[in-house]
Amino acid sequence: DGGITQSPKYLFRKEGQNVTLSCEQNLNHDAMYWYRQDPGQGLRLIYYSQIVNDFQKGDIAEGYSVSREKKESFPLTVTSAQKNPTAFYLCASSPQGATNTEAFFGQGTRLTVV
Amino acid sequence: AQSVTQLDSQVPVFEEAPVELRCNYSSSVSVYLFWYVQYPNQGLQLLLKYLSGSTLVKGINGFEAEFNKSQTSFHLRKPSVHISDTAEYFCALSSSNTGKLIFGQGTTLQVKP
Repeated sequence: DGGITQSPKYLFRKEGQNVTLSCEQNLNHDAMYWYRQDPGQGLRLIYYSQIVNDFQKGDIAEGYSVSREKKESFPLTVTSAQKNPTAFYLCASSPQGATNTEAFFGQGTRLTVV
Repeated sequence: AQSVTQLDSQVPVFEEAPVELRCNYSSSVSVYLFWYVQYPNQGLQLLLKYLSGSTLVKGINGFEAEFNKSQTSFHLRKPSVHISDTAEYFCALSSSNTGKLIFGQGTTLQVKP
């Protein structure tokens, strides 16, 4: 089945560690996005990529990094510089940069700092 | 800068009553508007979208929304809600000049029996 897959579903991180969240899509979409979701704050854009080997910072990029070496993959690394990383992270993709088409979402990864 | 504001953080309503979830947006260029629904611990799925044409847009599960350019609004409505409609609802916009998809803060719809 075509879709977008995030892994793992739950992730625990010790303070000071970097962790990488996986996002893979087999929809042949050009654009991919990472959002952070906190209660009462909606979805805030971390990074987005409209094409392979290119990506742009969103509204809250500090403490995060991404790569887009393959069309189907857009991993997000939460670095030790991110002071409050506990949140629900959502990855999305769309065929044409989400201009006039819907975005498809993964099931999310819940990251907890222990 | 573009933004989306959802005016109500929580909307409690009884089963079979009508509901309206409010969304206002700000943009200096033309936008495309979307409503998404999120069930607990899951991703988002599209309810409906406005791209152009008729200002009344019908979506899945009996939801509809009306685009009002003069009031910069895109309110979501359903004439009769079910318990299963309990979820969080997000309004979003995108535009061709930025390539970004921007979300509002979300509205939690609580349907009571």
